[in-house]
Amino acid sequence: AQSVTQLGSHVSVSEGALVLLRCNYSSSVPPYLFWYVQYPNQGLQLLLKYTTGATLVKGINGFEAEFKKSETSFHLTKPSAHMSDAAEYFCAVRKGGANSKLTFGKGITLSVRP
Amino acid sequence: NAGVTQTPKFQVLKTGQSMTLQCAQDMNHEYMSWYRQDPGMGLRLIHYSVGAGITDQGEVPNGYNVSRSTTEDFPLRLLSAAPSQTSVYFCASGRGVTEAFFGQGTRLTVV
Repeated sequence: AQSVTQLGSHVSVSEGALVLLRCNYSSSVPPYLFWYVQYPNQGLQLLLKYTTGATLVKGINGFEAEFKKSETSFHLTKPSAHMSDAAEYFCAVRKGGANSKLTFGKGITLSVRP
Repeated sequence: NAGVTQTPKFQVLKTGQSMTLQCAQDMNHEYMSWYRQDPGMGLRLIHYSVGAGITDQGEVPNGYNVSRSTTEDFPLRLLSAAPSQTSVYFCASGRGVTEAFFGQGTRLTVV
């Protein structure tokens, strides 16, 4: 069973528009959730993470995500897209506690139109 | 600190050849892992380790071996390279429930 589902493979927004990238997970235990960004020909960089505590987490570059247990979701948002946000975004889940394996979704490519 | 270092950055192999992708971290992380990235497939876990002497299989372990003799190093061995192993390989490390830190990747082509 898929642990992390990212619907769609490509999202296109206009500069200044809201960015919404969806992520749903499956887990029978409290998960630890992450969003990563990958720029062309580079490694992955952490945007933000949820481990415990506040369910709305803020990350770098103006991104934030909200952990909603009832919806098993961890959607990534940014109020106003910038051209430099164009990249591939991955949602990931770690379930089963410390040092459990980290599983990634298939990723979403974000394009930003001028 | 160098973080996570992968070598080589690029490699071309012939079918049937063997090679080792190197991964080293200097953050004293218990957790290390190898992923492959293919278009439309995201990152798929090959093998991972939760400490020296302990390894386990991920989603796509066939054709790959790993060992973890030290905390710092986690090499990935391709026993007999196949064109299906053409991919970008990423090594990552972490501790506890923290995020994983990624290397810059190794782009492997098998011809």
